[in-house]
Amino acid sequence: NAGVTQTPKFQVLKTGQSMTLQCAQDMNHNSMYWYRQDPGMGLRLIYYSASEGTTDKGEVPNGYNVSRLNKREFSLRLESAAPSQTSVYFCASSEPSYIDTQYFGPGTRLTVL
Amino acid sequence: GESVGLHLPTLSVQEGDNSIINCAYSNSASDYFIWYKQESGKGPQFIIDIRSNMDKRQGQRVTVLLNKTVKHLSLQIAATQPGDSAVYFCAENYNNNNDMRFGAGTRLTVKP
Repeated sequence: NAGVTQTPKFQVLKTGQSMTLQCAQDMNHNSMYWYRQDPGMGLRLIYYSASEGTTDKGEVPNGYNVSRLNKREFSLRLESAAPSQTSVYFCASSEPSYIDTQYFGPGTRLTVL
Repeated sequence: GESVGLHLPTLSVQEGDNSIINCAYSNSASDYFIWYKQESGKGPQFIIDIRSNMDKRQGQRVTVLLNKTVKHLSLQIAATQPGDSAVYFCAENYNNNNDMRFGAGTRLTVKP
């Protein structure tokens, strides 16, 4: 049982490049989330998916797109990366109830030059 | 706007002492709160939660207190150990949905 896994662990992009961050969970959770964490700030929700086939915007969705590929996988895409998107990105999943403990992945450290 | 915040950004305690980490929230509609621990290079890890119909909840060596009158949340760690050194975040369920809002975090350092 690996929990929540994320790839890649580290990534460096140039401004304007695109990339997709991958996330998978093996806990059969319905809900999945993408957060970013910046120095001196808490985690901020980018997008979440309450169940397979649905996605909703969080606090800071601009510049990102998501895909809930199936129940296990939830990807985050940056179409045209900007230096302001330099951050650590965390994926999380939770039980089907609408408020519950979220289990986090190890994070992806992204630098946009 | 309303947000979750923390009183102190850093806290240093002696091994064996009790630690108290505080959190202020301003969204009176929030009815669920979580404390997370984040070690360096890792994702946040659930510690303990509390719902707004409670004012205290205890776990193993940890206690969360909720004061809705002053919108204050605290995490107490008993007999703090070096392994407790980490950043601690409080989070509230914003708008009563899947949108959890996190505070900036408090860095706890345990001195041997």
